[in-house]
This record gives sequence, C-alpha cells and structure tokens, in this order.
Amino acid sequence: AQSVTQLDSHVSVSEGTPVLLRCNYSSSYSPSLFWYVQHPNKGLQLLLKYTSAATLVKGINGFEAEFKKSETSFHLTKPSAHMSDAAEYFCVVSDLVANTGNQFYFGTGTSLTVIP
Amino acid sequence: ETGVTQTPRHLVMGMTNKKSLKCEQHLGHNAMYWYKQSAKKPLELMFVYNFKEQTENNSVPSRFSPECPNSSHLFLHLHTLQPEDSALYLCASSQVGSAYNEQFFGPGTRLTVL
Repeated sequence: AQSVTQLDSHVSVSEGTPVLLRCNYSSSYSPSLFWYVQHPNKGLQLLLKYTSAATLVKGINGFEAEFKKSETSFHLTKPSAHMSDAAEYFCVVSDLVANTGNQFYFGTGTSLTVIP
Repeated sequence: ETGVTQTPRHLVMGMTNKKSLKCEQHLGHNAMYWYKQSAKKPLELMFVYNFKEQTENNSVPSRFSPECPNSSHLFLHLHTLQPEDSALYLCASSQVGSAYNEQFFGPGTRLTVL
C-alpha cells in the first residue's frame, strides 16, 4: 500500500530565506507524487507533480521538488520565501487501481509560516 | 466557469435541517471526490465516484448521502448533522486512466452545524 509522511507539521522561515518541506513516501513501485498548496479557507492548488520524466521537477511560484528513489523522498524547496508562501502544503502519492480508478494518499500537511 | 466550482461557499445549519452541497467540474473528468477537512485533522476522503458509479465510501455516517447524476455534477445531501460535522468540505475531480493525473479541487464549502 502507498503512504506518505510529511516529517514536519510546522515550518517557520524568514522572508527571503530558503524553504524546505520534507516528504517521504512508501510505494512498492514507481510512484506518482504531487505537492499541493492550500491557503486559508481555499481549495488545494497543484504546485507540481513527478511523472518519471525528470527527477527534478519545477512547479509554480518558484517551487521545485527532487525525487530521490534511494531515499524514498520528494522534498519541496524554494530558494527564497515570500510572504505569500505562508500556507498549508500537502504531499500526495497516487496509485491507479484496476476497477476502482485513481487512489490518492495525502500526507498530514505542513504549515509554513513566513516571518517578515 | 472553469475548473471545479462549489456552492454554497458558506453554510450554517441546525441539527434538524436538510441541505445539499453542490459541486460541478468543467474539465471533462470522469472521477469526482468528496473530502472533509476539519481543523487539526488530516484530510479525510469521504466518497469517490468513477464514471458516475460510487467506488468508495470510507465508513461515512448515513447522515451524509452523495449523489452523482452525471460525470460533471456531484452532490452531498446533509440531514440531522452533528456539531462535529462542522468542517470545510472539498470536492475534487480527476481523469481516470493514469496514475500521473492529478486532482483538481474546488474552493470548498465551509459548513457550520449549530
């Protein structure tokens, strides 16, 4: 079975400093991985996804994530945090199950605070 | 309208009321989902519909009743709810066929049960 672990429930950074949000997954084969962002009282928005084409994935708003199979990780990074990055971030792994369709497994989320 | 829309955006109801949440996707997808998001809790998958057929019901109480009349519309009918049902209810859609296909989420309905 697939699963996702987000290692930090809260991360706090100063504006202009790098962001690192950690995600480890458990999968029996090559996974499909996603990062979503959720601002307060809003739906989830896709930041980026891993589709096996490249291990370094670039997303929107300057975010990127690197797929490391040996470490079963898919950490999200950004070189310089902006105040507007303050939000909840979810790491997701997906599976395609016969006769059932897509199954999505969500991490518990990481709340990012950006200090001015 | 584009993407996934949800109405109403906010709903306050008493425990004896009956109300419905509506979700519509304009993306041509064939799968739709209901999630419950409570404060300080992980996202909970409630129901999944693939090609209008319910394929998952995660032990959701019967006071929540889903309906999927076609692949573009999804409803969540609510009756005799409890205060602990207060939460953000999110609808999502996706295209079944590849594990690389992501979900698209609506903005959610903020439900308060008094």
